[in-house]
Amino acid sequence: GAVVSQHPSWVICKSGTSVKIECRSLDFQATTMFWYRQFPKQSLMLMATSNEGSKATYEQGVEKDKFLINHASLTLSTLTVTSAHPEDSSFYICSAKSVDRADEQYFGPGTRLTVT
Amino acid sequence: GQQLNQSPQSMFIQEGEDVSMNCTSSSIFNTWLWYKQEPGEGPVLLIALYKAGELTSNGRLTAQFGITRKDSFLNISASIPSDVGIYFCAGDNYGQNFVFGPGTRLSVLP
Repeated sequence: GAVVSQHPSWVICKSGTSVKIECRSLDFQATTMFWYRQFPKQSLMLMATSNEGSKATYEQGVEKDKFLINHASLTLSTLTVTSAHPEDSSFYICSAKSVDRADEQYFGPGTRLTVT
Repeated sequence: GQQLNQSPQSMFIQEGEDVSMNCTSSSIFNTWLWYKQEPGEGPVLLIALYKAGELTSNGRLTAQFGITRKDSFLNISASIPSDVGIYFCAGDNYGQNFVFGPGTRLSVLP
């Protein structure tokens, strides 16, 4: 149980284009999902918290107009990187909290974004 | 905000050795979690601890929730090559405040 999937697992895009990453909780309902980014050999850095049916809460320094988050249902959140630039290249990981077990987070497998 | 410290930052051990790593905080948490991340993948939950003093095992892994609620440790017994990865601790307060540690990078030498 508690499986989280991400799609795509990797993506290469050209500078200036937008990329959408999906995060799904497969076998549980998630009222809250989180988006992280991770640079090589570093820990995960929380970007935003996404609650179903409401606007995401962004961490300080994260541009909400650049990283658009939509949490349309209890099993799906999307992160859109708009007008991507090479410095946006990173490993993006989502996580989800079950409505039954609010103190545990389950992570997706990550999406590697490379902007050329 | 709350921060977690993990030590050691990295360790190289021989296959078969036991491993011990810990996680400390300046403030208390009500839940401690240990995750393992392998290259190119997301973190996987290994053990969750909910009570101060709790000792929980998952195969060769054993983790304890410190009595002060400000620390936790993870032990791995008889390490094998597939134990390689980054081990993250995380603290949570009733789902309201989830904090991730910087990680301990484990390398196992054959």
